[in-house]
Amino acid sequence: EVQLVESGGGLVQPGGSLGLSCAASGFSFSSYAFHWVRQAPGKGLEYVSAIGGTTYYADSVKGRFTISRDNSKNTLYLQMGSLRAEDTAVYYCARVAGQTVTNLHFDYWGQGTLVTVSS
Amino acid sequence: QSVLTQPPSVSAAPGQKVTISCSGSSPNIGDNYVSWYQHLPGTAPKLLIYDNNKRPSGIPDRISGSKSGTSATLGITGLQTGDEADYHCGTWDSSLSIVVFGGGTKLTVL
Repeated sequence: EVQLVESGGGLVQPGGSLGLSCAASGFSFSSYAFHWVRQAPGKGLEYVSAIGGTTYYADSVKGRFTISRDNSKNTLYLQMGSLRAEDTAVYYCARVAGQTVTNLHFDYWGQGTLVTVSS
Repeated sequence: QSVLTQPPSVSAAPGQKVTISCSGSSPNIGDNYVSWYQHLPGTAPKLLIYDNNKRPSGIPDRISGSKSGTSATLGITGLQTGDEADYHCGTWDSSLSIVVFGGGTKLTVL
């Protein structure tokens, strides 16, 4: 059974840092690309970052967030720095499906981890 | 402000049919395939439709997807109380070079 389990969320002050993890199981982790997607309170889903052979970032987090993976541990990471109130959201990791970006979609998601940026 | 536009809410009675629209533009829905996700708060979003109208294994055929031009539609027939959830559309945006989503639609089964 494919499983993605996020952890690491919590309350952090503005300007602070936090690291999220996404532990994967039930499939060949190294064969897939992944996204981090977030949902702020009352808002829709928003792309944050992606990793395949290369890493990608939304403009809103570029220079502040770092995505990485450890294929030996089947784990995806998101290191977040210089956090702002507008980064408050539930953060989801999602496995990429589809052969190209034209039909990019996500066939499995984690349950999410809440990040609250507040003083 | 989401790139794709969905109605905030829809409702229908058990056993009835509902459709949820997702409106975009040429660089996103117009040029790429659309996917749909069901999401109950506190749980993992679930893929319902990909490539505009394909269902993953295990998704019943009372759930359907379609696309025309720069709009897509999710249809659910034979509504059940278990269908109450938020529904999100998503696609690639060739101009922004990122995946984009709608704001989500809350389905209420009256």
